[in-house]
Amino acid sequence: GESVGLHLPTLSVQEGDNSIINCAYSNSASDYFIWYKQESGKGPQFIIDIRSNMDKRQGQRVTVLLNKTVKHLSLQIAATQPGDSAVYFCAENLNAGGTSYGKLTFGQGTILTVHP
Amino acid sequence: DGGITQSPKYLFRKEGQNVTLSCEQNLNHDAMYWYRQDPGQGLRLIYYSQIVNDFQKGDIAEGYSVSREKKESFPLTVTSAQKNPTAFYLCASRPGRGQGRLSGEQFFGPGTRLTVL
Repeated sequence: GESVGLHLPTLSVQEGDNSIINCAYSNSASDYFIWYKQESGKGPQFIIDIRSNMDKRQGQRVTVLLNKTVKHLSLQIAATQPGDSAVYFCAENLNAGGTSYGKLTFGQGTILTVHP
Repeated sequence: DGGITQSPKYLFRKEGQNVTLSCEQNLNHDAMYWYRQDPGQGLRLIYYSQIVNDFQKGDIAEGYSVSREKKESFPLTVTSAQKNPTAFYLCASRPGRGQGRLSGEQFFGPGTRLTVL
């Protein structure tokens, strides 16, 4: 079946470094992708999204890159801070179109740990 | 403030009992979703509803039931048929395409942690 997966389950960086979290997806029909941040015991928080007609999108300290050729999504966090420590999930939107956005399928998640 | 609320935050249930988890949103969103999250894992879709009085099964609907009688509310019942209900349950909502939003972002509640004793 279709799935979204992450290459690295854990990532450990030093404060101030840049972080890159990767995600592979398998459904070429997916047209929308989101990155979420989840802190322990809380619900996921939206970080950034990107549509399939884009290759790159930037937010505050974050950049999402989409490579449709190899079905790969990445989240770059600049100048990583201890407050960025969390689990990061990518999600793809399947069967979007018409009057609804369809469903999101989430990846396994990557644990990011930022050391001061 | 607009948002999604889930209650209770922690819930304990004895084996064989049904239990209902509450999810309310005042964002005027059309769609609502229920996910289950097990330790160290991602979110798995239980049920979703794109409009009042309509809902569809997700990937792991067995042992769960929902209703969508009001736009603001999407309660989830964990029945005794669910063999391993201990998990963190997350509710989310999302505006419909006709609600003037360009993104398909889902907004999440704080979650309910269910433990079966």
